[in-house]
Amino acid sequence: DAGITQSPRHKVTETGTPVTLRCHQTENHRYMYWYRQDPGHGLRLIHYSYGVKDTDKGEVSDGYSVSRSKTEDFLLTLESATSSQTSVYFCAISGQAGGLTNEQFFGPGTRLTVL
Amino acid sequence: QKEVEQDPGPLSVPEGAIVSLNCTYSNSAFQYFMWYRQYSRKGPELLMYTYSSGNKEDGRFTAQVDKSSKYISLFIRDSQPSDSATYLCAMSLNSGGYQKVTFGIGTKLQVIP
Repeated sequence: DAGITQSPRHKVTETGTPVTLRCHQTENHRYMYWYRQDPGHGLRLIHYSYGVKDTDKGEVSDGYSVSRSKTEDFLLTLESATSSQTSVYFCAISGQAGGLTNEQFFGPGTRLTVL
Repeated sequence: QKEVEQDPGPLSVPEGAIVSLNCTYSNSAFQYFMWYRQYSRKGPELLMYTYSSGNKEDGRFTAQVDKSSKYISLFIRDSQPSDSATYLCAMSLNSGGYQKVTFGIGTKLQVIP
């Protein structure tokens, strides 16, 4: 998985609780992304980061926040989880020196269930 | 209308068959075209990448892009049971200095031994 880990890999939580997912890379890629994957929708971008402390919204960012305090870590936080946020979350990276920003490498995913 | 359309399948073929997977798109600004393979409960992995109209071959896989028709294809020759997976097309364009990638919903392929 191109030196990308995600934690936790599975999580079950209750509506209204905060949840933080972590993505860690060892590849020194500049860009990091959070996607969610749902049946019938495919992969949808939640937020992305183009550098330390530099983040921007994707197409489905409502209810999510992110932080990137180090090159290697990108955190996704659900401030107050809802059942509609039950999904599989993927972290991706791109933009290694000399590489292409559109060539994304994905982590193994986190399966989140909100009851 | 979605920017990228992909038939979700499932597509079931016998081992050894030639498989054709397709996507259409509406945004002529897309510059780069990719195919990802995703095994069950795994992350997508980049399979093929191209940026021009025409064909690109890699082993049993051929990616074809027709920009005039806004249509891309992935062909798999001599398909194997290990090719059973979901195949995602993806396309990107320059958006404020980075390449914004849009994915199709994926086509589930099953190769029967």
